[in-house]
Formats: sequence, structure tokens, C-alpha cells
Amino acid sequence: DAGVTQSPTHLIKTRGQQVTLRCSPKSGHDTVSWYQQALGQGPQFIFQYYEEEERQRGNFPDRFSGHQFPNYSSELNVNALLLGDSALYLCASSLVWQGDGYTFGSGTRLTVV
Amino acid sequence: AQTVTQSQPEMSVQEAETVTLSCTYDTSENNYYLFWYKQPPSRQMILVIRQEAYKQQNATENRFSVNFQKAAKSFSLKISDSQLGDTAMYFCAFNNFGNEKLTFGTGTRLTIIP
Repeated sequence: DAGVTQSPTHLIKTRGQQVTLRCSPKSGHDTVSWYQQALGQGPQFIFQYYEEEERQRGNFPDRFSGHQFPNYSSELNVNALLLGDSALYLCASSLVWQGDGYTFGSGTRLTVV
Repeated sequence: AQTVTQSQPEMSVQEAETVTLSCTYDTSENNYYLFWYKQPPSRQMILVIRQEAYKQQNATENRFSVNFQKAAKSFSLKISDSQLGDTAMYFCAFNNFGNEKLTFGTGTRLTIIP
């Protein structure tokens, strides 16, 4: 049973560029959440997608946007990259309000130079 | 504001010993879930154990157990018979029932010494 798959694993971008990160949820899961984990910090919630709509959003600017596809996979887009966007981006999937935790992927390490 | 505090940035313990990681949280809600996640160098967050706030009995998963003190808003993790594979970052997290957002602490780096 495949878990959560994220691509790419590593990425280097230049300030001002745009980036797209991808996530395939665990088989059977219908909800995808995205988290940003800065070095030495705990993950911070960006947003969650269910039924192809953004269901909840954390305190992130509009430069961060997402999408969920009919097969439940998801993309995270970040525009006008800043140095401070350098972080590990984690995707987590679940069944809509499952309550017993989420299955996380191994993340995409984004470096902005 | 909902917050999670882990006051021990780093801990180390000899293999086979017992170690306890501390966590306190703040929420105005009454129904919520608490979690401990492990993040090894592979970066994947792995669920170690979870606790429903409405359950008085402390959760246990093999060598891992929690001490949940709801009134004190405390949720510590005890690892018994520690193994080298337990070396990782450990994050305490919670979410309010019906709220999908997980709030994490800053983590405790645990090192098991051979």
C-alpha cells in the first residue's frame, strides 16, 4: 500500500521565481494538507484541500496557493519566492475528519537563493 | 491562540533506558486530539501515539506510553527500553475536534547512545 508520495525531493529556485510541488495521497485518502517546516522548527499548517476545494487555511500569504485534482492528488504553488520560503514542505493525507492522525510524505526540500 | 510547547530542545539517553519527553499545550476547546510524531533523518513524520482528550485512560503503544493530564494541559511521552532506532526529532501536536489543522511544537531532538 503506497503511502504519501511527494515530488520533487529537492529543489533550488531563485528569488522571484515560482515553484510547484506535488503530492499523491495514500491510497483511500481524500484529504490533503500542506505544511511548511523551517529549519529547526515544527511544521506550520498552510492549507487543506478536500473535494477539490480549499477547506481551511493557515497564516500564509496569497503567494501560496494550491489545487486538488479529481484523483485527490494535490499541488502547492508558491509565487514570487522569497529567501524565507526556504523550508521543507510536507504533505499529509487523511480521510475527511478521521481524527486519528495523518499520513505524511517525506517532503520537498526547497532552497531559495 | 492555540500553542504547543516542548521545553526540551535536546535529550540523550543510554540504550535500553527509559526517557520522558515533555509537552504542554493551550486550547480553549474541550474536545481535541493529541499526538506524538517522530521525524527521523528521512524527514517523514511518523505517528507514534495519539490520545483523545475525552478518554481518561492514557494511550499505550508497545514501548511508548503517554501521561495525559488534561487539567494541567500536559502530554508527556515515555519511551521504555529505548533503542537506537528511536533516535529522531519528536514533535508533540494537537488538533481540536472538527478542526483539521495540526498545531505542532518545536520538537525535541532525542539521541539514543549505544
